[in-house]
Amino acid sequence: AQSVTQPDIHITVSEGASLELRCNYSYGATPYLFWYVQSPGQGLQLLLKYFSGDTLVQGIKGFEAEFKRSQSSFNLRKPSVHWSDAAEYFCAVATFSGGYNKLIFGAGTRLAVHP
Amino acid sequence: DAGVTQSPTHLIKTRGQHVTLRCSPISGHKSVSWYQQVLGQGPQFIFQYYEKEERGRGNFPDRFSARQFPNYSSELNVNALLLGDSALYLCASSLNRGQNNEQFFGPGTRLTVL
Repeated sequence: AQSVTQPDIHITVSEGASLELRCNYSYGATPYLFWYVQSPGQGLQLLLKYFSGDTLVQGIKGFEAEFKRSQSSFNLRKPSVHWSDAAEYFCAVATFSGGYNKLIFGAGTRLAVHP
Repeated sequence: DAGVTQSPTHLIKTRGQHVTLRCSPISGHKSVSWYQQVLGQGPQFIFQYYEKEERGRGNFPDRFSARQFPNYSSELNVNALLLGDSALYLCASSLNRGQNNEQFFGPGTRLTVL
């Protein structure tokens, strides 16, 4: 079955510290992977996406993610976290079946940033 | 350029009532998808509409229905509301319906069922 797992429900880091959010996916075909960020009461903003090619992808706000097919992972990283990065982060895989595409999301990781 | 817009922003209904949520996609986008996000969970796929036809449906009861208009805007309808329908309803638009088409999300409609 197609699924996305984000093992960490809640992560707290200090401002300026590095960050890694984990994401594992289960999908039989070529995965199209995304990371979204959601601030409280807001919709989803795309941080970055992986379709093919270079396995290290750069996104907005200084985020990057690395696709590792052997580990079925697509972890999100940032070298130095800012207080404004506090939000909920969702990993998603795009599927295409029956003539339509949909996103399957993980449960999310809530990031808190200490000053 | 305007992004995806949704209305209303917030809505309070009581059990058994009916609700209609609206979504306007980005100009030029022909595909609209609806997602339900229950508090503390990731969004769950409800529907995808492309060129005014339903192309896909998630695991939701028949109380949930939708349609897409000639201008590609969309409505999500939910009948006989249950407490469990309380959620943030997100609309997303994309150019087409292929797997590699990025979906752009609106701010959502927060539905509370009392």
